Amino acid sequence: AQSVAQPEDQVNVAEGNPLTVKCTYSVSGNPYLFWYVQYPNRGLQFLLKYITGDNLVKGSYGFEAEFNKSQTSFHLKKPSALVSDSALYFCAVRGPGYGNNRLAFGKGNQVVVIP
Amino acid sequence: NAGVTQTPKFRVLKTGQSMTLLCAQDMNHEYMYWYRQDPGMGLRLIHYSVGEGTTAKGEVPDGYNVSRLKKQNFLLGLESAAPSQTSVYFCASSPLGAGELFFGEGSRLTVL
Repeated sequence: AQSVAQPEDQVNVAEGNPLTVKCTYSVSGNPYLFWYVQYPNRGLQFLLKYITGDNLVKGSYGFEAEFNKSQTSFHLKKPSALVSDSALYFCAVRGPGYGNNRLAFGKGNQVVVIP
Repeated sequence: NAGVTQTPKFRVLKTGQSMTLLCAQDMNHEYMYWYRQDPGMGLRLIHYSVGEGTTAKGEVPDGYNVSRLKKQNFLLGLESAAPSQTSVYFCASSPLGAGELFFGEGSRLTVL
């Protein structure tokens, strides 16, 4: 089985401060990890993914994520948050055996950036 | 530059009615999926397809049926709608390999 935990329901951060959204995963074998963002009344937009290689992955809109195998984590980060980053963020995982690309999603984190 | 298109975007049904959600993708992707999104529960996979003419069950398939007669289309059917099926439904597609999923804009369904 594959699963993701996003422990915080909401993350509040002041504009200009660093933003971190936490994600831990459970999967058999090496994971494929993804972050998506959802703005109100919209579909999910892909931000970044980790498949293999460098543990620090850079993605869209200045976001990055760090893969930590020992802690089974894939936290999303942004050095300086913008008000426009306020949205719902989803972490997702699949194991190497899932050749059909089926993803397991976390419940999502609401990010609120305070002006 | 359509990507993944879902129709309809909104629908209200009465308990026991039937309906079909249509998903169309223009990226020639092999894989297609139907998820439902409920508050505090994230996205849960209903059914998916790994190619034309094939379908498989996901986490929450009960009460739903799907068909993929053409590679670009993936239909989700509710034969007898129940209030528990009130949700936002998302279709997604993915290419072969370790590719990310591309999502439609969602279809909001309310069952009274």
